[in-house]
Amino acid sequence: NAGVTQTPKFRILKIGQSMTLQCAQDMNHNYMYWYRQDPGMGLKLIYYSVGAGITDKGEVPNGYNVSRSTTEDFPLRLELAAPSQTSVYFCASSPPRDRGSPLHFGNGTRLTVT
Amino acid sequence: GESVGLHLPTLSVQEGDNSIINCAYSNSASDYFIWYKQESGKGPQFIIDIRSNMDKRQGQRVTVLLNKTVKHLSLQIAATQPGDSAVYFCAENTQNTGNQFYFGTGTSLTVIP
Repeated sequence: NAGVTQTPKFRILKIGQSMTLQCAQDMNHNYMYWYRQDPGMGLKLIYYSVGAGITDKGEVPNGYNVSRSTTEDFPLRLELAAPSQTSVYFCASSPPRDRGSPLHFGNGTRLTVT
Repeated sequence: GESVGLHLPTLSVQEGDNSIINCAYSNSASDYFIWYKQESGKGPQFIIDIRSNMDKRQGQRVTVLLNKTVKHLSLQIAATQPGDSAVYFCAENTQNTGNQFYFGTGTSLTVIP
C-alpha cells in the first residue's frame, strides 16, 4: 500500500492563479481530510469528507473548494491564490471512528503564493 | 471552536533520559486522543492513542496518560533516542463532530547526544 499520496510536493503560485492539490489513498478509507500547517503552528482543518459525494467545511474553508467523486481521491482547489494561503497542506484519511481511526497523513504539499 | 494547547513549545533532553510532553484540551466532551510525531519535511505519524474510558496506555517506549478531571494529556517517551527528535502534536476528537480532529500547536523535542 502506498498510503496517502499527495502531489505536487512543492508549488509556487502568483497571486490570483488557481491550482488543484491532489490527494489519493489506497486504504479504502471512508474519511478524508485537508489540513494546512503554518510555520510553527498546529494543523488547521480546511475541509473533510465522510464518503464519496459528501464534503463538509472545517475550521478554515474560505478560499478553498473540494470534491469527492470517488473513495480514493480528494482534490483541494484554490481558485484565486492569495499570500495568506502560503502554507504546507496535508491530506489525511481514516476509517470510520468506530473501527479505530487515527488519521493517516501524506507527506504534504508546500505552497508559496507571491 | 476547539482549543487544544501544549505546554512548553520546546523541550531538550539528554539521550537516554525520559521525555514528558504535555497537552491541555478544553472540550470536556472530547473522548478520543492521539499523539503524532512529525519529522522535518514529512507528514505527522501516529504514535499512540487513548480513549476517554482509559487513564493510561502503553506502547513501545511510549506511554500516554489522560487526566479527564483537569483535561490534560501527556506523552512519556522512555530512554529518549536521537531519532525521537521531532515535533509532537496531540489531537483530540469528539464523537459528535464527524471524526474531526483538532490539533495542538506542537512541542519541538530535541535529543542531545
